[in-house]
Amino acid sequence: DGGITQSPKYLFRKEGQNVTLSCEQNLNHDAMYWYRQDPGQGLRLIYYSQIVNDFQKGDIAEGYSVSREKKESFPLTVTSAQKNPTAFYLCASSPAGVSHYYGYTFGSGTRLTVV
Amino acid sequence: QKEVEQNSGPLSVPEGAIASLNCTYSDRGSQSFFWYRQYSGKSPELIMFIYSNGDKEDGRFTAQLNKASQYVSLLIRDSQPSDSATYLCAGALDGQNFVFGPGTRLSVLP
Repeated sequence: DGGITQSPKYLFRKEGQNVTLSCEQNLNHDAMYWYRQDPGQGLRLIYYSQIVNDFQKGDIAEGYSVSREKKESFPLTVTSAQKNPTAFYLCASSPAGVSHYYGYTFGSGTRLTVV
Repeated sequence: QKEVEQNSGPLSVPEGAIASLNCTYSDRGSQSFFWYRQYSGKSPELIMFIYSNGDKEDGRFTAQLNKASQYVSLLIRDSQPSDSATYLCAGALDGQNFVFGPGTRLSVLP
């Protein structure tokens, strides 16, 4: 079945440590997105990519980095510069250029906790 | 700042009643809107989308869009306890990416 796979489901980060969240899709979608969700708040866009080897900052990119070396993969690194990383992280994808009529498909999410 | 606003709730309705979820947005140029359902601890799942003024029905769900009033709503008929979740409204406000509202928590009481 086609879909988006995020791993791990739960992740614990120590102070000063970088961690990488994985996102893989087999939907043949060109566009991929990373969102952060905090309790009582909507999804906030971290980074997005419309094509391979290109990505743009979203509203809250500080302290995060991404790469898009393959169409299927869009990993997110939470760096030590992100001072409050505890949140639920969601990866999403959509066909390029038609997301307004298609919407996003979401992965199952990664819950990151600072210990 | 382009925004999507929702009442955070919780909205409580008895089983079998109609649940009405509302959403307003700030950008008159918005093209389309999506409703997602999110169970606690899970990822959002798409319920409906609408991009024309008026109503769109799919089973027990009806989405309504009024671009003049910048208002979107989702009606759930014959509400069931399994409909208890947070409902996210999202609009394509900036021509490329979606802006999500904070969500409305719905509780359907048996």
